[in-house]
Amino acid sequence: AQSVAQPEDQVNVAEGNPLTVKCTYSVSGNPYLFWYVQYPNRGLQFLLKYITGDNLVKGSYGFEAEFNKSQTSFHLKKPSALVSDSALYFCAVRALSGGYQKVTFGTGTKLQVIP
Amino acid sequence: DSGVTQTPKHLITATGQRVTLRCSPRSGDLSVYWYQQSLDQGLQFLIQYYNGEERAKGNILERFSAQQFPDLHSELNLSSLELGDSALYFCASSPHRESDTQYFGPGTRLTVL
Repeated sequence: AQSVAQPEDQVNVAEGNPLTVKCTYSVSGNPYLFWYVQYPNRGLQFLLKYITGDNLVKGSYGFEAEFNKSQTSFHLKKPSALVSDSALYFCAVRALSGGYQKVTFGTGTKLQVIP
Repeated sequence: DSGVTQTPKHLITATGQRVTLRCSPRSGDLSVYWYQQSLDQGLQFLIQYYNGEERAKGNILERFSAQQFPDLHSELNLSSLELGDSALYFCASSPHRESDTQYFGPGTRLTVL
C-alpha cells in the first residue's frame, strides 16, 4: 500500500536558522513527490515537486527538497527561516497503485518560526 | 489566487440531507481533483476526473459521487450526510499529466448538524 509519513507534528525553529521538515514515503513504483503549504483558513499552495532528474529540487519562497531513493525520503529544507514561513506543510506522493494513479498526503507538519 | 473557484464557501445542513459542491478549474486545465480535509482524517484524496472521465479514485465513500461536465467544471455530490462528513472540501486542477502541479481552490466548508 502507498503511504506517506511526516513523523513530526510540529517543528519549531528560530528565525534565521535553517529548517527541515521530514517526509518519508512507501510506493511500489516510481513516485512523483510534492510539497504543499497551507496557511490558516486558506487552501493549499504548491511549493515544489520531484518528477525525475536532479535529486535536489528548488521551489517557491526559497524552499528546496532532496529526493533520496535509498532512504525513500523527500525532506523539505530552507537555509534561513522567516516568521512568515509559519504554516502547515504537507508532503504528498503520487504513484501507480492498482491500475490507478493514486495520491496520498502525509498528516502534515506545523512549522512555527520563532522571532 | 490560484484561478480555481469553488462554491459555496460555506454550507450548513442537517444529517440525512444531500448537497452539491461546485468547482471551476483554471482555464485550460483538464484535470479536476477533489479532497476532503478534516481533523480526524487529515487530508484525503477523493477522486480525479480528466476531461470528463474518471481517472483516479481515492478514499471516496459510496454516498459520494462526482462528475466533470463538458465545460470542465466539476461537481461533488454528498448524500445521506452524517456528522462525520463535516470537513473542508478542496478542489484542485492541473493541465493534464500526473506529474503536473495541482492548483487548489479555497475550499468549501461543510458543516453537518
